[in-house]
Parts: sequence; C-alpha cells; structure tokens
Amino acid sequence: QQQVKQSPQSLIVQKGGISIINCAYENTAFDYFPWYQQFPGKGPALLIAIRPDVSEKKEGRFTISFNKSAKQFSLHIMDSQPGDSATYFCAASLTGSWGKLQFGAGTQVVVTP
Amino acid sequence: ETGVTQTPRHLVMGMTNKKSLKCEQHLGHNAMYWYKQSAKKPLELMFVYNFKEQTENNSVPSRFSPECPNSSHLFLHLHTLQPEDSALYLCASSQTGSATNEKLFFGSGTQLSVL
Repeated sequence: QQQVKQSPQSLIVQKGGISIINCAYENTAFDYFPWYQQFPGKGPALLIAIRPDVSEKKEGRFTISFNKSAKQFSLHIMDSQPGDSATYFCAASLTGSWGKLQFGAGTQVVVTP
Repeated sequence: ETGVTQTPRHLVMGMTNKKSLKCEQHLGHNAMYWYKQSAKKPLELMFVYNFKEQTENNSVPSRFSPECPNSSHLFLHLHTLQPEDSALYLCASSQTGSATNEKLFFGSGTQLSVL
C-alpha cells in the first residue's frame, strides 16, 4: 500500500512559469513532510520541509502548501528556471522514526528555455 | 572528501555473482540507510542502522546482506540476485536523536544491473 501518492508523473513548464506538484498521504499520524530534489546522476537532496502546524512555508522560489484536513500538500516552484529541471519527491514521516521516510513516486520537471 | 560517498557508481553482475556495495559518510552522523530506487516507483527503504546496530529490515530478501562495521561505513553484500533487483541503490545518513525530524543526506548511488 502506497502511503504517499504523487502527481503528476512529469510536467513541462516554460521558463518563468509556475510548476505545481501535488501529494496526498494516508497516515494522519505523519507530522513531517519534506520535498527532495534529485538531479541526474545524483542522490536526492532536501529542498524544503513543512510540519502540519503551518499551512504554508516559503523558501526563495519554492513554497509548500499544506492542507491537513484534505491530507494533501503541494510544492510550487515560482519563476521556474532551466536549472530547476530535476525529479522532485515528496515524502512523509513520523517524528522519531529514525529517518524512515515514505516517498512519493517522483515528478520529473523539465523547464524549457 | 565530504558528504556521502558510494562505490562503485555502476555495477553489472550475473545472477551467480557475489559483489558488495560500499558507502562512507564524512558527516559525523550516527544513522545510515540503504534505499532502493526503481524507475517511476517510490524510494524503498531497505535497512536502517543506528550506532552500528540494525534497527530496521524492511522485509528485504536474504540475498541482500547489510553490514555496518562503524557509524561511518555501510556495506550491502549481494549474492544470487535476480534481474528484478536491477535498480539504483542509494545510501543515506542522518543525525538521529534530536527532537526534530532527521534530514537525510544521500550519496549518488550505485546503478546495479543484474543479467
């Protein structure tokens, strides 16, 4: 049973546009929701994370929106740049779960010049 | 060298071979992990080691055998693998024990092909 469902599988956006990736989770006990960014030939790297006590978190051009009642969260990439082309993974975990993250299947983002 | 280093980067092996993947972290972390990454599928947690002790085995077949001699090194010993085991194997580390959630630091992975 996949505990975190991610969509879309891929998306293409023009430079300067907004990329939006959505995730839904099953376990209401999850209390930590990170997003990881992975470039070809590299391992995933933490991009931004949110806890359910806030509805939005922004870091530069990256924003997480969190809807606890709907059990959904999303990543918005504003003013998308070609350097943002990568695969993005959402994840969820419980505090104290020793880094055992439940990952989504990933979204491949391509930003065209 | 900094971060998490994995060797080899690529590995091709037959189903009867025995090989090992190596991971080394230079971050002073106390927990290390093996994850499996297959195309278009979520990353799958395989094993967790905390202070050299295995704390998680996520129902991984016995043809995968982990070893953690110290908090900086992690190995994954492979034997009699199947073609469906072909994937990117990622090692990660984190500093556990704090009240906040751990940030995972991943290596670049070993791309494994089983023929």
